[in-house]
Amino acid sequence: NAGVTQTPKFRVLKTGQSMTLLCAQDMNHEYMYWYRQDPGMGLRLIHYSVGEGTTAKGEVPDGYNVSRLKKQNFLLGLESAAPSQTSVYFCASSGAWHQPQHFGDGTRLSIL
Amino acid sequence: GENVEQHPSTLSVQEGDSAVIKCTYSDSASNYFPWYKQELGKRPQLIIDIRSNVGEKKDQRIAVTLNKTAKHFSLHITETQPEDSAVYFCAADLQGGKLIFGQGTELSVKP
Repeated sequence: NAGVTQTPKFRVLKTGQSMTLLCAQDMNHEYMYWYRQDPGMGLRLIHYSVGEGTTAKGEVPDGYNVSRLKKQNFLLGLESAAPSQTSVYFCASSGAWHQPQHFGDGTRLSIL
Repeated sequence: GENVEQHPSTLSVQEGDSAVIKCTYSDSASNYFPWYKQELGKRPQLIIDIRSNVGEKKDQRIAVTLNKTAKHFSLHITETQPEDSAVYFCAADLQGGKLIFGQGTELSVKP
C-alpha cells in the first residue's frame, strides 16, 4: 500500500519549458490537492479536485493547470515555466473534506 | 482574504520541557483544525486534529486546545524529546472545506 506517490522527485527546467507532475493514490480517495511549499510561507493550495473529472482553483492557481481523468491520478501542468515557480510541490489526498490529508513525498522543481 | 497566523516562527526548548505553538484564524465559519509535523526533507504528516464541537483533544504527549470565540487554537507538546524537532504547521478550513495553512514553526529540542 503505497499511499500517495509523486513523480518525478526532482526536476530542473529552463524558463519557458513545460512539464507535468504526476500524483497517484491507491486509497480510493475522492479528494486530491496540489500545494506548493516555499520557505516561510507554509503550504499554499494551487488546485484541487473533489472527484474524477472535476477540478477547481485554490489560492495560487495562476500559471498552472490540472486534470483528473482517473480517480487515482491528479496531474499538475506548467505550460511555460517561470523562475517564480521554483518550489517544492506536494500532492495530497483525502476521503472527504475534514478528513486527514495524506501527502506524497514532494517534487523539488527548479526553474533556471 | 482569509488567513491563518502562526507563532512563533522558531522555538527552541530543552529536552523534557513543554512547547506551545499558537495559531489564529480569520474565518469564523472554520470548523476543522489539523496540525501537521514535517521533518527535514520529508512529507507533512498529520499529528492531531480538532473539530469545533470540542475545546480540547489529547493524544499522549500532544494536546490541542480551541477557543472559537477568540478564533485561536494551540498545540501543546509535553516532555519534549529530540525526535520532536521538526516544522509544525497549523491549518483551518475555509467555507467549502479547503485548508489554509499557517506559516510554520521550526521546533528545536536540545538534548
